[in-house]
Amino acid sequence: DIVMTQAPLSVSVTPGESASISCRSSKSLLHSNGITYVYWYLQKPGKSPQLLIYRMSNLASGVPDRFSGSGSETDFTLKISRVEAEDVGIYYCGQLLENPWTFGGGTKLELK
Amino acid sequence: EVQLVETGGGLVQPGKSLKLTCATSGFTFSTAWMHWVRQSPEKRLEWIARIKDKSNNYATDYVESVKGRFTISRDDSKSSVYLQMNSLKEEDTATYYCTAAGAYWGQGTLVTVSS
Repeated sequence: DIVMTQAPLSVSVTPGESASISCRSSKSLLHSNGITYVYWYLQKPGKSPQLLIYRMSNLASGVPDRFSGSGSETDFTLKISRVEAEDVGIYYCGQLLENPWTFGGGTKLELK
Repeated sequence: EVQLVETGGGLVQPGKSLKLTCATSGFTFSTAWMHWVRQSPEKRLEWIARIKDKSNNYATDYVESVKGRFTISRDDSKSSVYLQMNSLKEEDTATYYCTAAGAYWGQGTLVTVSS
């Protein structure tokens, strides 16, 4: 199975500042079709995961453009610009390239 | 508006069975590949099963830890997907989510396996 490793475990951010979360996969997530199958989710307190970024760099519908995704075949970054109070929660990266899908352990974002 | 609503969770003894239902609306269910993902009390996410659409012969796949115990199925006429869970173990305790291709998620249903 593909192992997804996230860092850091938690991050404390001043509102208005930026935050970055890293994710590394144990295998290339680049498919032969040219698409990189890494996804980013935010789970707000008491809620289910919501899709932020799909296929490494595509913003999901309704997600503010303060969120952006980038990376290579095995190393990925989620960047949040101008963090707001509504961004608090646990962020997960996941690979949807092959079954079983696997997810990182999560990064908890809190406000200073 | 896209909606996925899971039901059927609860407290069950080890070795018993439970069937989860995920009723959906707001998207073309018949062509969607549907999945079940669970989240442990420690907040770890684990994919457990997938069912493809009719054009792909409703092919199913499972994580190793539930093979032979869990069965995913769907009813396109009801826009619903199901998870039959047999021989439940304490380590199956989790919140179970259905998801359409990883894009849309339900609110989850809690399954607690305990004597």
